[in-house]
Amino acid sequence: NAGVTQTPKFQVLKTGQSMTLQCAQDMNHNSMYWYRQDPGMGLRLIYYSASEGTTDKGEVPNGYNVSRLNKREFSLRLESAAPSQTSVYFCASKMTAGSTDTQYFGPGTRLTVL
Amino acid sequence: QKEVEQDPGPLSVPEGAIVSLNCTYSNSAFQYFMWYRQYSRKGPELLMYTYSSGNKEDGRFTAQVDKSSKYISLFIRDSQPSDSATYLCAMSETGNTPLVFGKGTRLSVIA
Repeated sequence: NAGVTQTPKFQVLKTGQSMTLQCAQDMNHNSMYWYRQDPGMGLRLIYYSASEGTTDKGEVPNGYNVSRLNKREFSLRLESAAPSQTSVYFCASKMTAGSTDTQYFGPGTRLTVL
Repeated sequence: QKEVEQDPGPLSVPEGAIVSLNCTYSNSAFQYFMWYRQYSRKGPELLMYTYSSGNKEDGRFTAQVDKSSKYISLFIRDSQPSDSATYLCAMSETGNTPLVFGKGTRLSVIA
């Protein structure tokens, strides 16, 4: 099992460019999450999908959109990148949204916006 | 005030020391408490999980929750250089609410 995979691993964008971060899990999990991690700020939730067909905003959703493409895949889109979106992005998944389930993280995507 | 407060460190200790990592929180509805370990340039991985108050031990690691004080701790006994990582506390309410993370404490164990 690969667990949670993310592509790309690294990306450099210019201000105003758009891109989609891809996330896939092979653990048959129902719930998936997107976080950003910044120095001194910790992990902050951007969007999550408690189950296939649903998405909800997290703590910092502005400037992002998400798509739960199917049960395995959950993508994060930056329509018009800004330098403030320079960060490390982590995708995570868990069997259900219930609090007792273990949340598994991907390896992260390091994004720089110039 | 952020819901979960965690001293970012860095914390540097000699090999074999006992390490104490702590978080405080303001939301009395939190029922589930976790500690994640994150090695440099990797994703976090679950280390310990505790429900409500009490202690939980797993090898060299002990997690404590004091809900009356809104305070959780992670103790690492006989610390090893391989324990050098960032430790993040996380917590959630009942039901399907997402985890809320602390900022993480960077730990270095010096051989």
